[in-house]
Amino acid sequence: EPEVTQTPSHQVTQMGQEVILRCVPISNHLYFYWYRQILGQKVEFLVSFYNNEISEKSEIFDDQFSVERPDGSNFTLKIRSTKLEDSAMYFCASSVNSRWTEAFFGQGTRLTVV
Amino acid sequence: DAKTTQPTSMDCAEGRAANLPCNHSTISGNEYVYWYRQIHSQGPQYIIHGLKNNETNEMASLIITEDRKSSTLILPHATLRDTAVYYCIAVNSGYSTLTFGKGTMLLVSP
Repeated sequence: EPEVTQTPSHQVTQMGQEVILRCVPISNHLYFYWYRQILGQKVEFLVSFYNNEISEKSEIFDDQFSVERPDGSNFTLKIRSTKLEDSAMYFCASSVNSRWTEAFFGQGTRLTVV
Repeated sequence: DAKTTQPTSMDCAEGRAANLPCNHSTISGNEYVYWYRQIHSQGPQYIIHGLKNNETNEMASLIITEDRKSSTLILPHATLRDTAVYYCIAVNSGYSTLTFGKGTMLLVSP
């Protein structure tokens, strides 16, 4: 079964440092998403990406966040200057189209900011 | 997107059917009902979706009431591996954002 791959599985970073979370979506998928889940809380939408540009973003996705698809296979989330409250599980997802029927989520990257 | 209401938690015995209810009384005509689940510390997993008709796939069945104000996800023979948080989400077909609520924590016991 095809899967979305995220690396690393766990990232520890110091407050104020930049961090890049990486995702390899399923190869024929066209839509890409980042979600996050703070421990014990709901899964929250961050951003959706299509045709090399952001199609939608939430209030959480401020200027500290950016996304990129640098080489046609990877999809990255960058947090410019991490804060303690950025500690969360970050999930990447991809889908063939904008309908969620065939959306697959990765296993997540646990980001811990110390 | 319409708000959905689900019980906080449910229990089910292994091998029995698990019936997870969801209320979506303000759902509009172009909103689908999607079900996802999240096994502990893993990414959400798509289960099934529907608009008006009942749907069945290899994982589950979805029963939507005629007025579309509520639905039930049925896992016909629950296993221990079905222990997870189940999310019922109303999704407007014109938008790409899934909005997760708190869901129902289903505990399947031996």
